[in-house]
Amino acid sequence: GAGVSQTPSNKVTEKGKYVELRCDPISGHTALYWYRQSLGQGPEFLIYFQGTGAADDSGLPNDRFFAVRPEGSVSTLKIQRTERGDSAVYLCASSLGQGFNEQFFGPGTRLTVL
Amino acid sequence: AQSVAQPEDQVNVAEGNPLTVKCTYSVSGNPYLFWYVQYPNRGLQFLLKYITGDNLVKGSYGFEAEFNKSQTSFHLKKPSALVSDSALYFCAVTLNNAGNMLTFGGGTRLMVKP
Repeated sequence: GAGVSQTPSNKVTEKGKYVELRCDPISGHTALYWYRQSLGQGPEFLIYFQGTGAADDSGLPNDRFFAVRPEGSVSTLKIQRTERGDSAVYLCASSLGQGFNEQFFGPGTRLTVL
Repeated sequence: AQSVAQPEDQVNVAEGNPLTVKCTYSVSGNPYLFWYVQYPNRGLQFLLKYITGDNLVKGSYGFEAEFNKSQTSFHLKKPSALVSDSALYFCAVTLNNAGNMLTFGGGTRLMVKP
């Protein structure tokens, strides 16, 4: 079946601009996660949704970052006033909700802020 | 707070030889441990997990890992390495809470030479 998909695969933007990154989870997965992976590092947690609500947004670095999941499926990560330090690969993952089910990751969106 | 350490940036092994990729963790509570593999230009793929029960966990592609509570380790092993195993490996931990967000180590690059 279809895995987690993310669009766009690459995004180049200028400092100060606004960007949106989209994630389509596996159908039926109620839990959705966003992570950020900088070059040479492991992924870092940003935010977790259970259904439509953000259950934990403690990983968001500041208030320029925001994410939504209005219908409990597709999620959008929004970054305002982008900075060069936001350049990274943004990963989305989904899983079968509660419990320690493995997370299935998408291929990521590579964001470059010039 | 929880953390994961992967002390080796790179592990080199000859094809057919056994391989070990090391992982140690630090958590306040009972850990739930995962290994993921990342191939170039592809998303993270789940290999195996330890939740409870037998300390030796078997996973995909012939990999296994042993949970050692006294040493707070969860090393990844394979009896006979393949060139196709060459990739970036990440260890991750989460705690017994509702969130299930993963804390990743920095990754270890495995190079298997013919």
